[in-house]
Amino acid sequence: SQWGEENLQALSIQEGEDVTMNCSYKTYTTVVHWYRQDSGRGPALIILIRSNEREKRSGRLRATLDTSSQSSSLSITAAQCEDTAVYFCATDASMGYKLTFGTGTSLLVDP
Amino acid sequence: GPKVLQIPSHQIIDMGQMVTLNCDPVSNHLYFYWYKQILGQQMEFLVNFYNGKVMEKSKLFKDQFSVERPDGSYFTLKIQPTALEDSAVYFCASSLRDNSYEQYFGPGTRLTVL
Repeated sequence: SQWGEENLQALSIQEGEDVTMNCSYKTYTTVVHWYRQDSGRGPALIILIRSNEREKRSGRLRATLDTSSQSSSLSITAAQCEDTAVYFCATDASMGYKLTFGTGTSLLVDP
Repeated sequence: GPKVLQIPSHQIIDMGQMVTLNCDPVSNHLYFYWYKQILGQQMEFLVNFYNGKVMEKSKLFKDQFSVERPDGSYFTLKIQPTALEDSAVYFCASSLRDNSYEQYFGPGTRLTVL
C-alpha cells in the first residue's frame, strides 16, 4: 500500500536559517501535498506539487519532486518563528479521494 | 480562507458507548473525509463520502463505524460501540471537486474511550 514518510522527525533551527525537510514514498502518486499543522489545529495545505513538476515555489517555500526516486522536499528560506509547526507530506494516488500522510517533521524556529 | 468546523473538540466516553462526531464542512464542498490520528503517529485515512455514499474506506473503518450527511447538514462519524483503540484525534476534511486536490481540514475532535 502507499505511504509517505519524512526522514527526520524533529528539527530545531535559529531564525533566519534555511531548512529542508524530506519525504519519500513507496508507490505512484499524482501529486505531493505539503501541509503544516499548528498546535490544536488541523493540517493546512501550504504547497502542492504535481507529478509533472520538478519544483514549485510559494513565497519562502520551495517544494521539489523527483518521481524517479519517489521523493519530495520542502525548503523554507530565512525561517521565522511563526514557521514553527509540524510539517507533513501527503501523497495522493487516487485523484484527490484519499491522502496518505507521512509521520511529520516537527520544526522549531528559535528567535 | 474556508473553514471546516468540528464539534465537539473533546469527547470522553466509556467503552461500549456510542459516539457521534460532527463536522460542518465548507459550504459549497462536495467531497467529505474522515482521518484518524493516534498521538505521536501519522494521520490515517478512514473514509471518503460523496453524493450521499461512501466511495472508499480503509481497513481502519471498522463495521462499528458509519458516516452520513443527512439533508446536507453535518457530516457525521458514528462509532457504535466504541472500543479502547478508538481513542484518537479524528479530523474531518472537505474538498470542492474530486480532482481539486486540496482538502480543507477541521481542527479535530479528541476522542478518549475509557
